[in-house]
Amino acid sequence: SQTIHQWPATLVQPVGSPLSLECTVEGTSNPNLYWYRQAAGRGLQLLFYSVGIGQISSEVPQNLSASRPQDRQFILSSKKLLLSDSGFYLCAWSVGQTRETQYFGPGTRLLVL
Amino acid sequence: GQQLNQSPQSMFIQEGEDVSMNCTSSSIFNTWLWYKQDPGEGPVLLIALYKAGELTSNGRLTAQFGITRKDSFLNISASIPSDVGIYFCAGQFNNNNDMRFGAGTRLTVKP
Repeated sequence: SQTIHQWPATLVQPVGSPLSLECTVEGTSNPNLYWYRQAAGRGLQLLFYSVGIGQISSEVPQNLSASRPQDRQFILSSKKLLLSDSGFYLCAWSVGQTRETQYFGPGTRLLVL
Repeated sequence: GQQLNQSPQSMFIQEGEDVSMNCTSSSIFNTWLWYKQDPGEGPVLLIALYKAGELTSNGRLTAQFGITRKDSFLNISASIPSDVGIYFCAGQFNNNNDMRFGAGTRLTVKP
């Protein structure tokens, strides 16, 4: 069966510090991968998605970047965090790109102070 | 940004009661999905709907894909304390990068 992991689970970082969140998927090959941000009390906003190694599409302009160095690894990064980057970050995967449901990881709660 | 209107925003009900929530959109979707999120965890898929008019059940949960393809509802029958959480609807056009989420319905069940 497929599983998705995210770490760290919780992170507290000062403003201006760098960020690296990691997501890995097991049990499947060539998954589509997604990064979402969930602000407190709100729905999910798609940040990035990837259909393959090195292929990243950005949905919204922002202070963050994403990379996919390996087939089942997706990384969310920032060079300098802003207060507004605080939130709950969710990684998700799907088998295909068309009409395929997405399965979410446990999330990383980021607090920027 | 969000293109779905999900209601109600929150519900406080007594254990055993039935629950109904819905999502509407100005856009047509090809797929409707319902997720549940427990505190501090990622959303878990409950029901996926692929055809207009489709009515699908998953235990005590029932969801329907509206005929107009612009709305969907989720019903929970005979609620129990573990139903507590945030329920999200999601509409998908054709690709997963076109998926849009509602703001969520926060459900509280009193024993």
